[in-house]
Amino acid sequence: QVQLQESGPGLVKPSETLSLTCSVSGYSISNGYYWGWIRQPPGKGLEWIGNIYYTGSTYYNPSLKSRLTISVDTSKNQFSLKLTSVTAADTAVYYCAKVTGELGSWGQGTLVTVTS
Amino acid sequence: EIVMTQSPATLSVSPGERATLSCRASQSINSDLAWYQQKPGQAPRLLIYGASTRATNIPPRFSGRGSGTEFTLTISSLQSEDFAVYFCQQYHHWPLYTFGQGTKLEIK
Repeated sequence: QVQLQESGPGLVKPSETLSLTCSVSGYSISNGYYWGWIRQPPGKGLEWIGNIYYTGSTYYNPSLKSRLTISVDTSKNQFSLKLTSVTAADTAVYYCAKVTGELGSWGQGTLVTVTS
Repeated sequence: EIVMTQSPATLSVSPGERATLSCRASQSINSDLAWYQQKPGQAPRLLIYGASTRATNIPPRFSGRGSGTEFTLTISSLQSEDFAVYFCQQYHHWPLYTFGQGTKLEIK
């Protein structure tokens, strides 16, 4: 069974870059499927951030596209997110997930707080 | 962007009773709809996909219906562990998936 685990700093300063990695186990990213990032501000709903295929093809939420980079490292079975020029509005729990249309497998989520 | 609207925002139901949650899409999404359950401090858990197919290990008291723009999630006899927040998600409009704002199911 596929398992996902997010990792990265829990605190980021305003205007800096938020960087997270999702490590996948129990399934090889190179075998296919899309892999995605979703976030949830405290006490609020879910927002789709973007997807990546194992080939490196990416799809970004237009509202974040100018600040967002998602990449994949098949040798490490990981994919990553970088969000630049963060503000307090980017404070959220960030989840990674396996994308099959629906999201059947999620990481546990990691809280990233943007604060000086 | 397809907007997903859930109602009600909060639903108060007694244990053992039936709960019906609604989700409406701003345009047709065929049956490309999923439902998730989220408990505090946890990631969402997939309940239903394809509007009506239960995910692995989801008990039969959970059922989904609908197509096009109108969808429902019904929990036939509420158990204590079912009180949570429920989200719908459309995956028809690739690659920009969107979620509803959630329905909080609370104990009456």
